[in-house]
Amino acid sequence: DQQVKQNSPSLSVQEGRISILNCDYTNSMFDYFLWYKKYPAEGPTFLISISSIKDKNEDGRFTVFLNKSAKHLSLHIVPSQPGDSAVYFCAASARSGRRALTFGSGTRLQVQP
Amino acid sequence: NAGVTQTPKFQVLKTGQSMTLQCAQDMNHEYMSWYRQDPGMGLRLIHYSVGAGITDQGEVPNGYNVSRSTTEDFPLRLLSAAPSQTSVYFCASRMTGGANTEAFFGQGTRLTVV
Repeated sequence: DQQVKQNSPSLSVQEGRISILNCDYTNSMFDYFLWYKKYPAEGPTFLISISSIKDKNEDGRFTVFLNKSAKHLSLHIVPSQPGDSAVYFCAASARSGRRALTFGSGTRLQVQP
Repeated sequence: NAGVTQTPKFQVLKTGQSMTLQCAQDMNHEYMSWYRQDPGMGLRLIHYSVGAGITDQGEVPNGYNVSRSTTEDFPLRLLSAAPSQTSVYFCASRMTGGANTEAFFGQGTRLTVV
């Protein structure tokens, strides 16, 4: 039972355009959401996060939106750059229970020059 | 700043062999965890620890043991390797409590069991 789902395995965009990566979750106990970026042969690196008390968080070219009623979050990258090409993982955690991060299956983003 | 260090980076095992994947962090994080990454499945939690002397199982614990004798180290032991354990393994650490904080990951160990 996947509690965090990324339904698009891959996404290709042109340099300078917007990249939108989507993520859905099913566990209502999740109250903290994160996006990680992963290059081949490296560990995931933290990109941006959002608490459930907010609906938007921005950090430079990266913005995460949270829609709690729809149990949906998205990552917007504007403008997209070739160096953004990587696999992006959505993750979520809850204050109770394991408090571990639960990850989606990832979306491979390719930014074409 | 070393962060989270995993060794080895690559390992090939024969079925039935045992080995230990090492993980060390220098950020004084209480919360540490092990994940495995398989194609199309994201990262799945194997075991985690909320502090020295305390460990617990994650989603896919079978075939793995952990211990946490110090805050810094969280080794993962494969008891009798099986081909199904061929994967990339990541160790991660988070600040106290593990809630509402990001996790820092090591560079991974690519394990092949033949």
